[in-house]
Amino acid sequence: AQSVTQPDIHITVSEGASLELRCNYSYGATPYLFWYVQSPGQGLQLLLKYFSGDTLVQGIKGFEAEFKRSQSSFNLRKPSVHWSDAAEYFCAVGANNYGQNFVFGPGTRLSVLP
Amino acid sequence: EADIYQTPRYLVIGTGKKITLECSQTMGHDKMYWYQQDPGMELHLIHYSYGVNSTEKGDLSSESTVSRIRTEHFPLTLESARPSHTSQYLCASREGGHVEQFFGPGTRLTVL
Repeated sequence: AQSVTQPDIHITVSEGASLELRCNYSYGATPYLFWYVQSPGQGLQLLLKYFSGDTLVQGIKGFEAEFKRSQSSFNLRKPSVHWSDAAEYFCAVGANNYGQNFVFGPGTRLSVLP
Repeated sequence: EADIYQTPRYLVIGTGKKITLECSQTMGHDKMYWYQQDPGMELHLIHYSYGVNSTEKGDLSSESTVSRIRTEHFPLTLESARPSHTSQYLCASREGGHVEQFFGPGTRLTVL
């Protein structure tokens, strides 16, 4: 069965500092991996996705993520955080099948200090 | 650009009322989903649909019901709202053969 863990419930960083949000997954085949961001009271916006190929993927808003098969990880990074990045971040593993094709992690809440 | 809409965005209603949360998408996606999310918590799938006249329950048991009469429309109904239904409800869709889900802005429901 698919599962996703995000070990950090809440992370606080200073504006301008670098950021890494962790995501580990369990999946029997090559996974489709996603990072979504959710601002307060809003829906989920796709930041980036990995299907195959280059293991370092670039997304919107200056985010990138690296797929490491050996570690079953798909960590999200940003070199310099902006105050507007404060939000909830969800990692997800997906499959092209019927039914519940997505499994979401529990989310990591990012706070940004001025 | 994904086009998926939810109305209302916010709803405050009294116990016992019947409510319908609307979700529409203009992308022609055949698969649609409803998630329930408590503040600061993870998403739980409560309903999904493969296409017209096809609906299934998700992992989280819910007293709500859904219908899928048209491809673009996937409303969720609560026959008798209770305070325990207070939550955010997110609608999503995806194209058959693709994995990525597109999300609406959500409806925040408060039942007094």
